[in-house]
Amino acid sequence: DAKTTQPNSMESNEEEPVHLPCNHSTISGTDYIHWYRQLPSQGPEYVIHGLTSNVNNRMASLAIAEDRKSSTLILHRATLRDAAVYYCILSFGRGATNKLIFGTGTLLAVQP
Amino acid sequence: ETGVTQSPTHLIKTRGQQVTLRCSSQSGHNTVSWYQQALGQGPQFIFQYYREEENGRGNFPPRFSGLQFPNYSSELNVNALELDDSALYLCASSLLTSTDTQYFGPGTRLTVL
Repeated sequence: DAKTTQPNSMESNEEEPVHLPCNHSTISGTDYIHWYRQLPSQGPEYVIHGLTSNVNNRMASLAIAEDRKSSTLILHRATLRDAAVYYCILSFGRGATNKLIFGTGTLLAVQP
Repeated sequence: ETGVTQSPTHLIKTRGQQVTLRCSSQSGHNTVSWYQQALGQGPQFIFQYYREEENGRGNFPPRFSGLQFPNYSSELNVNALELDDSALYLCASSLLTSTDTQYFGPGTRLTVL
């Protein structure tokens, strides 16, 4: 399984943008890039995913490098409710199983 | 649509005992995955069930077993509990493609004394 590398922790101020980086240098051509987050005392929740092109949804944007060896999750305006552990995950693209291989993630702290 | 639910919320067992954890999948989902999350760590994949058959397993011993029922609810069974089995156990339901979102339940906190 291809691995991802993320900073252990990051800090942001409320209402400022946050850029959460992820390195995945061993990504294969069929791996999708997923981001999940886990708020305190909750199960993980889906944030966004992509393959090659940048993606936007109501929660965040995902910027994928041209060589796909890194990606960045962008929260456009951080709120206190965005304080969570953010996981960058690769999933094999051929659908035999869609298991998620979590790393230790990035703990995001949001200051008021 | 109802979300993923798990029961019980908390459980305390002693070493050597057996435990069964339950998960109700989100309506319309045919796949359930189980994860173990130790304190301060990311979730670790235990196994996945698709249409009542095991469809992939992580690095967990055979004393971790599961079932998926025709209504797509699921059970995780752990025999001969060890102290290191103390963790948050999460189930996630989805459809079976690599891009389908997995919807996680709130987890069951298991403490083994």
